[in-house]
Amino acid sequence: DAGVTQSPTHLIKTRGQHVTLRCSPISGHKSVSWYQQVLGQGPQFIFQYYEKEERGRGNFPDRFSARQFPNYSSELNVNALLLGDSALYLCASSLAGTSYYEQYFGPGTRLTVT
Amino acid sequence: AQSVTQLDSQVPVFEEAPVELRCNYSSSVSVYLFWYVQYPNQGLQLLLKYLSGSTLVKGINGFEAEFNKSQTSFHLRKPSVHISDTAEYFCAVSEALNSGYALNFGKGTSLLVTP
Repeated sequence: DAGVTQSPTHLIKTRGQHVTLRCSPISGHKSVSWYQQVLGQGPQFIFQYYEKEERGRGNFPDRFSARQFPNYSSELNVNALLLGDSALYLCASSLAGTSYYEQYFGPGTRLTVT
Repeated sequence: AQSVTQLDSQVPVFEEAPVELRCNYSSSVSVYLFWYVQYPNQGLQLLLKYLSGSTLVKGINGFEAEFNKSQTSFHLRKPSVHISDTAEYFCAVSEALNSGYALNFGKGTSLLVTP
């Protein structure tokens, strides 16, 4: 079975632009979470979606938004990009939306803002 | 909010030597604890997890960790490391949200195994 897939792999944007990152969970998984990993740091939680509803939001500005589709794939959108948004964006999927279930991570999308 | 502290940012060790990567957490409630490994330019892979039961948890690649509630620690150990264990290691605690949950990660420990 395929693991969590993310696209694109790499992305270069200019300050002020908008970006959309995509994630496909493991087949059968209904929960998707997004994390931001700045170079040299641990991942920071951005959003969790379960059954197409937002179940949790981390301490990120409103420029960050996400949604989950009926097939459980997900998009992360970031508006008005800042240099500080440069990071590896990780998507993780799990069977359900409770902490008991293991999160499986994708390879990430490397976003560079210039 | 629950937090995780990884006490060492870098740990150099010789091949076939034992290693311990230290992790402390802060929580006043029951927790779920995890260790993840990240190889260069890759995502995170789960090494092991503690949910309940035995405090000694065995994971993949010969790693194990011990949950110590009184010391609020979850240290990762391996009796004999290989060159291929060189990677970034993250300790994480699961935090319940209003209707979901998030993983809170430490800043990571870089394990460098040399011949």
